[in-house]
Amino acid sequence: EVQLLESGGGLVQPGTSLRLSCSASGFAFNTHAMNWVRQAPGKGLEWVSKIDAGGVGTNYADSVEGRFTISRDNSKNMVHLEMNSLRAEDTAVYYCAFSAVSGSGSVYWGQGTLVTVSS
Amino acid sequence: DIQMTQSPSTLSASIGDRVTVTCRASQSINSWLAWYQQKPGKAPNLLIYKASSLKSGVPSRFSGSRSGTEFTLTISSLQPDDFATYYCQQYNDYRWTFGQGTKVEIK
Repeated sequence: EVQLLESGGGLVQPGTSLRLSCSASGFAFNTHAMNWVRQAPGKGLEWVSKIDAGGVGTNYADSVEGRFTISRDNSKNMVHLEMNSLRAEDTAVYYCAFSAVSGSGSVYWGQGTLVTVSS
Repeated sequence: DIQMTQSPSTLSASIGDRVTVTCRASQSINSWLAWYQQKPGKAPNLLIYKASSLKSGVPSRFSGSRSGTEFTLTISSLQPDDFATYYCQQYNDYRWTFGQGTKVEIK
């Protein structure tokens, strides 16, 4: 069974940093690109970042480019999101997710971790 | 970015009604479209993937279809547990994009 478990969320002040982690199990982690998606309170879903299977290629939403860094450790089946210079508008639940486009075609999500940026 | 235009934004319906939600993509996404149900405080719950594939365990009253760049989620007979917000998502492009959401309310 595919499982994605996010951790690392919390309450932080504007301008500070936070590192989110996602622990993956139940699938061939090192063959799938991984994504972070967020949802601000009462708002819709926003794609944040993607890292390819090998960890070389990364992409970011314009709203986080230059502030957030995605990385992965295929030896530990983990993906991380380093968030710097946090702003109030980064307050959201952050989800780890991937799509199995080369296999079943399905999409898998974790349960999310809440990040609150407030003074 | 691929734009996903979802309609309606709100839908009032009664138990037993047939309900339809539509998403239109701004360009071809082939069939890489998913539908989610979300309830307050919970993660999105996958219902349909690859436009029309029903996720295992999801009731058969949910179905998805595609006509070109227009995608439809249908609930054949609305049940009390179905009152929620529904989102579409394209995953054809690496920059995933989502519809704005449809809130299904009790009429």
